[in-house]
Amino acid sequence: DAKTTQPPSMDCAEGRAANLPCNHSTISGNEYVYWYRQIHSQGPQYIIHGLKNNETNEMASLIITEDRKSSTLILPHATLRDTAVYYCIVRPRLSNDYKLSFGAGTTVTVRA
Amino acid sequence: NAGVTQTPKFRILKIGQSMTLQCAQDMNHNYMYWYRQDPGMGLKLIYYSVGAGITDKGEVPNGYNVSRSTTEDFPLRLELAAPSQTSVYFCASSYSGGGYQPQHFGDGTRLSIL
Repeated sequence: DAKTTQPPSMDCAEGRAANLPCNHSTISGNEYVYWYRQIHSQGPQYIIHGLKNNETNEMASLIITEDRKSSTLILPHATLRDTAVYYCIVRPRLSNDYKLSFGAGTTVTVRA
Repeated sequence: NAGVTQTPKFRILKIGQSMTLQCAQDMNHNYMYWYRQDPGMGLKLIYYSVGAGITDKGEVPNGYNVSRSTTEDFPLRLELAAPSQTSVYFCASSYSGGGYQPQHFGDGTRLSIL
């Protein structure tokens, strides 16, 4: 699977948009970009995923560059409950490797 | 909309005891997984199942057993608990096994072996 690079930490003001970057320069054409988060003491939570088009759901928006080498997760109106570690990973569409492997992720702290 | 439900949330076991961690999903997902996560570490896949009656080992299966008699349930059995099995256990499920569909996780079972 392609590797991803994320900043180790970032702060965000409550009510403002949080833009989380991720680099995945070695991504291949059949690999999806996924975002998960893990709030302290809770299970990983799926946020959003996409292949090449931008995606939006009730939690967030995912912007993927045209060359697919990077992406940005946007939390439109961050709240204190969005404080978590956010993980960007890539997953091939078809694979017998079912294990999810998270890197260090980005620790996002939302401040009042 | 329950998703993936794990019970119990917390448990303390003595060395040598056995127990079953329960996992149920109501999303009609074919694939189910058991992970463990040690403090400050990443996820390790214990076992997975691609459908009722079919299970297979992940990267750390020793000391554990699973069964999948129904689509909804995927219990994890610990036999002869050891201190090294102290961890947080997460169950997950997905509609398919590849990257096309996401895995959805439960809230975990925090297990301490003393």
